[in-house]
Amino acid sequence: DARVTQTPRHKVTEMGQEVTMRCQPILGHNTVFWYRQTMMQGLELLAYFRNRAPLDDSGMPKDRFSAEMPDATLATLKIQPSEPRDSAVYFCASGLDTLRDNQGGYTFGSGTRLTVV
Amino acid sequence: GQQVMQIPQYQHVQEGEDFTTYCNSSTTLSNIQWYKQRPGGHPVFLIQLVKSGEVKKQKRLTFQFGEAKKNSSLHITATQTTDVGTYFCAGPRSTTGANNLFFGTGTRLTVIP
Repeated sequence: DARVTQTPRHKVTEMGQEVTMRCQPILGHNTVFWYRQTMMQGLELLAYFRNRAPLDDSGMPKDRFSAEMPDATLATLKIQPSEPRDSAVYFCASGLDTLRDNQGGYTFGSGTRLTVV
Repeated sequence: GQQVMQIPQYQHVQEGEDFTTYCNSSTTLSNIQWYKQRPGGHPVFLIQLVKSGEVKKQKRLTFQFGEAKKNSSLHITATQTTDVGTYFCAGPRSTTGANNLFFGTGTRLTVIP
């Protein structure tokens, strides 16, 4: 089965350090999402790309977060500088972005568990 | 803004009992998707509903989309321990067909053997 690959799986970093999370979407998928999951806030949409172009990043704190897709096989989410409140599990998901094509839904990666101390 | 609420937040059932979770949106949805997340895992797509009043079944799972396309439900018949996890509904933020999914609050199901 095709998979969305996220690296690293776990990251512990000190406050103030830069964190980069990577995602390899499924080949052929034209849509990539970044989500953040915490107990308190649930699954929050951070960024949404279609054909590598950012369509919605309204859920992302702009002062410290940035999301890019340098090519179709790589999506990145950066936090600089990181803060303890950024501790969460970050998921990447990919899929096809039309009602007609999206009967398969979106495939999530296993996530990056980030701890900022 | 658009909100998608789910009830209940938690549900404990005895194995063999039925389970239902309800999803309510403040706005009309073009479609709704359901995902399951096992403890420690990632969300896994279950199904998408598009048509008003649509009902779909997957073995013991029955999914419904309301006539007004603002609510949905997931019903599990005769729960098993493998059904444990959190069930999320998700709908798009816009009505243009773009699927920037906005997830509901989730219902965490515990099945007691």
